[in-house]
Amino acid sequence: KQEVTQIPAALSVPEGENLVLNCSFTDSAIYNLQWFRQDPGKGLTSLLLIQSSQREQTSGRLNASLDKSSGRSTLYIAASQPGDSATYLCAVRLSSNDYKLSFGAGTTVTVRA
Amino acid sequence: GAGVSQSPSNKVTEKGKDVELRCDPISGHTALYWYRQSLGQGLEFLIYFQGNSAPDKSGLPSDRFSAERTGGSVSTLTIQRTQQEDSAVYLCASSPVRRNTGELFFGEGSRLTVL
Repeated sequence: KQEVTQIPAALSVPEGENLVLNCSFTDSAIYNLQWFRQDPGKGLTSLLLIQSSQREQTSGRLNASLDKSSGRSTLYIAASQPGDSATYLCAVRLSSNDYKLSFGAGTTVTVRA
Repeated sequence: GAGVSQSPSNKVTEKGKDVELRCDPISGHTALYWYRQSLGQGLEFLIYFQGNSAPDKSGLPSDRFSAERTGGSVSTLTIQRTQQEDSAVYLCASSPVRRNTGELFFGEGSRLTVL
């Protein structure tokens, strides 16, 4: 069974600092990994999707890397802003035939103005 | 619509009553998922639809839970004889299987409170 872990559970940084969020998974034979953002009381917003053949994906200030062999993904958010405050979740899909995602518990980020 | 639409956004019910939660996926998305998010816990998979059929119902927690999808579009999650432990946010997601990157798009969720 795929276990997905996100450390730390919570993170507080001053505005302008770069954010580094970690996600680890136990089964390295994944199909893809997806990072989501969740604001309080809201649904999940997809941020980045990394296919198993890719090493990283970038969108604006966001960059996600994937190291399958070590079972890790890292989400970098450059020059953080108060609007980046949210919970960030990573989710792993095992194969193209397995449509279930295994989610981590998330990292709750607070960016202080 | 532009995104996944869920209704109601909030539902408060009494223990023992039945509830129906609705999900309208992104137009053209053939895959539809239901997840549950309980307070302080991660997302729990409930059921997956491909078109109108549900090849994976493994996550439904009990026989009080059922779901259907008609016309390859709207899905309804029904919880019968609700219990307090059913209180959670129920999230629906859809995915464009034909162009299968495997990316999921979520709705805002339906928050269920069972008194």
